[in-house]
Amino acid sequence: KAGVTQTPRYLIKTRGQQVTLSCSPISGHRSVSWYQQTPGQGLQFLFEYFSETQRNKGNFPGRFSGRQFSNSRSEMNVSTLELGDSALYLCASSLTQGQHEQYFGPGTRLTVT
Amino acid sequence: AQSVTQLGSHVSVSEGALVLLRCNYSSSVPPYLFWYVQYPNQGLQLLLKYTTGATLVKGINGFEAEFKKSETSFHLTKPSAHMSDAAEYFCAVTGGFKTIFGAGTRLFVKA
Repeated sequence: KAGVTQTPRYLIKTRGQQVTLSCSPISGHRSVSWYQQTPGQGLQFLFEYFSETQRNKGNFPGRFSGRQFSNSRSEMNVSTLELGDSALYLCASSLTQGQHEQYFGPGTRLTVT
Repeated sequence: AQSVTQLGSHVSVSEGALVLLRCNYSSSVPPYLFWYVQYPNQGLQLLLKYTTGATLVKGINGFEAEFKKSETSFHLTKPSAHMSDAAEYFCAVTGGFKTIFGAGTRLFVKA
């Protein structure tokens, strides 16, 4: 089975721009969660999508949003980028809602200049 | 609510020595507990998990962990470290519908 794929792997953006990251879960997995990883804050949960609905949300501002499509693929969007948004964004897929056993993609490294 | 504390942000062992990475958790509901490993420039890989049943769980690459409810601990061990074990390790707890990760412990293995 193919693993979780994330595109792009690396991205450089300028402050004020917006960005869209993509995640394709393992075939058959219906839940997708997104995390932000930074050296200072560690792994922080952004949100979880299951059956095209956001089921859980972390403590991030509204500039961070996401969606899930009928084929379980997910995108996350960050608008009005700030320098502090520079991070590794990780996507994880699970069979069902609840983030029990998660399988992570390689991440998208976002650098905001 | 759940929380995870990993004791020691850095652990250094010699090749062939015992690896012990400590994790304590709190959870208001029966927890599911996980250990993940992250190699540089990669995502996290599941090492092992505890859901219910046997409290000693075995994972990949020779790692194991023991769930001790009375101590609210889920420490990760490996009898003999290998150079390839050098990585960052994350303990995580799921209670309800959210997963909380610990801050991570970076394992160094000396030749």
